[in-house]
Amino acid sequence: RKEVEQDPGPFNVPEGATVAFNCTYSNSASQSFFWYRQDCRKEPKLLMSVYSSGNEDGRFTAQLNRASQYISLLIRDSKLSDSATYLCVVTRNNNAGNMLTFGGGTRLMVKP
Amino acid sequence: ETGVTQTPRHLVMGMTNKKSLKCEQHLGHNAMYWYKQSAKKPLELMFVYNFKEQTENNSVPSRFSPECPNSSHLFLHLHTLQPEDSALYLCASSQVGPGKLFFGSGTQLSVL
Repeated sequence: RKEVEQDPGPFNVPEGATVAFNCTYSNSASQSFFWYRQDCRKEPKLLMSVYSSGNEDGRFTAQLNRASQYISLLIRDSKLSDSATYLCVVTRNNNAGNMLTFGGGTRLMVKP
Repeated sequence: ETGVTQTPRHLVMGMTNKKSLKCEQHLGHNAMYWYKQSAKKPLELMFVYNFKEQTENNSVPSRFSPECPNSSHLFLHLHTLQPEDSALYLCASSQVGPGKLFFGSGTQLSVL
């Protein structure tokens, strides 16, 4: 089983739609959680951190369910510019420091 | 501008060549990373350096040799690579501890 699993998509949605992605992780010792965004042929960039209480940043809402070991990202009022691959990232601290594990990403395509 | 710069952006090399990838971060971070991103695969962690010391080598073949002369600079020396090593190589930096990564633009490597 992969340590971090995501539906690869693609999710094809019209502008203005609401879309949600889920991510599951296998290591219950995971400590921190993030969503990154990666545009085609570009580097990943941090989108938002994910907190147990849930957090919102404009049109984006992230949720964490530790009991079920999954993370979600909700995008409201989709824009064309939201088209990208969204990477779920899970971290744990070991003696080596900060260990991040990336999911394979979910591709989103927003159409006019 | 992410504060992490990588050179070169593109590299084509033969299997007998020796080349080096360079990464520099201007963010005052104390951890640096090399990741490999192959087509349709999740980002794979290769090496981690915390305070210039290598703390993680994720079973990477010896034809990849990292070097970290100080907290701001990271190199990846390449020799006798194989065609399957063709990928996007991404450098990242962060503070030590569960935190956020900042990526460079990557080097798209093609091995002929």
